[in-house]
Amino acid sequence: GAVVSQHPSWVICKSGTSVKIECRSLDFQATTMFWYRQFPKQSLMLMATSNEGSKATYEQGVEKDKFLINHASLTLSTLTVTSAHPEDSSFYICSASQAVGTEAFFGQGTRLTVV
Amino acid sequence: GNSVTQMEGPVTLSEEAFLTINCTYTATGYPSLFWYVQYPGEGLQLLLKATKADDKGSNKGFEATYRKETTSFHLEKGSVQVSDSAVYFCALLLTGTASKLTFGTGTRLQVTL
Repeated sequence: GAVVSQHPSWVICKSGTSVKIECRSLDFQATTMFWYRQFPKQSLMLMATSNEGSKATYEQGVEKDKFLINHASLTLSTLTVTSAHPEDSSFYICSASQAVGTEAFFGQGTRLTVV
Repeated sequence: GNSVTQMEGPVTLSEEAFLTINCTYTATGYPSLFWYVQYPGEGLQLLLKATKADDKGSNKGFEATYRKETTSFHLEKGSVQVSDSAVYFCALLLTGTASKLTFGTGTRLQVTL
């Protein structure tokens, strides 16, 4: 099956700093990538949808200036958590799909801890 | 709107017991249905899927049948193993919606010896 790689797997950062998480589709071109946030023992909350070469579409309640998403190529999307605070600590998961309406493949997730 | 409802967990079973995790959905069109599994500290892995009514998805001993009449996609396994302990998510996908999955809340399964 298609492989999506997320990096890093975990990161610890200080409050006020920014953290970048990468999501790569290794063996297919991803027209669309999705970023999710997962709180402990809860389901996935979709944060935003990004299409290659265009601005991301954010879900209601997600701060676009805080969670910067860039989808510069068909194999790479990045999520930057700016001016991180402890409440941003969470598990972030990306997924990627090749075309509209097709199956999305998930990365292994990134655990962010802000201290 | 579209939604997925899963039975609440955690579900605790002894090894070799029969597993059922209920999932029902509401959708404005004709969705594809999925079960994903999440092992501790990891992302989601697709377990099985079904794209139309009466399809049965199966993988690793798990099965689920797409029941349009009851809008259900219950996950079953005849004999669970300790290694099946994980969180299971039911999800739906409507074509033409940019592959945006709608997830259930997840059901934690704990299998003991």
